[in-house]
Amino acid sequence: DAGVIQSPRHEVTEMGQEVTLRCKPISGHDYLFWYRQTMMRGLELLIYFNNNVPIDDSGMPEDRFSAKMPNASFSTLKIQPSEPRDSAVYFCASSLEMFNASTDTQYFGPGTRLTVL
Amino acid sequence: AQSVTQLGSHVSVSEGALVLLRCNYSSSVPPYLFWYVQYPNQGLQLLLKYTTGATLVKGINGFEAEFKKSETSFHLTKPSAHMSDAAEYFCAVSVTGTALIFGKGTTLSVSS
Repeated sequence: DAGVIQSPRHEVTEMGQEVTLRCKPISGHDYLFWYRQTMMRGLELLIYFNNNVPIDDSGMPEDRFSAKMPNASFSTLKIQPSEPRDSAVYFCASSLEMFNASTDTQYFGPGTRLTVL
Repeated sequence: AQSVTQLGSHVSVSEGALVLLRCNYSSSVPPYLFWYVQYPNQGLQLLLKYTTGATLVKGINGFEAEFKKSETSFHLTKPSAHMSDAAEYFCAVSVTGTALIFGKGTTLSVSS
């Protein structure tokens, strides 16, 4: 398996523009997670899905952020409009089950480094 | 609610020296505990995890961690550091049915 795939790896945009980050989870994984990593706040969970359904979006910072999972193999995180404070590394992760003792491992993608000018 | 505190944002050791990265957690119920490693420009990789059973957990690359309930700790150790161990390390906690809560991370530097 290729692992969790994220695109683009780097994104530079100007304030006010729409940004879309993409993620392809590992095939067969039922859970998908979006995280944001910044120097100030560390690694924060934004939202996670189970079987394509959003379960907890309490970490989404504001209405400018939205996430979708139209099918089991694809998810997007959209920021509209983007602001400089959104600059961060955004990680996608997937797991087979929520936290079954024998299988509870989250696999992380390489991340998307977003810079908003 | 669960939380994780990693003591020391930056740890420096010499090659061959003991590595000790500290993690304390807060949880009202028995937690699952994890250590992840992040190499530059890469995603997080699981080092080891504690779920139930033996409190001393061995992971990849010679790392191990011990779950101490009385101290609410899950410190990560390695007897002898290698240059390749230089990375950022994250401790995380979860309970059944919840997502991972990560600590702020500890950057490990290894000098020759």
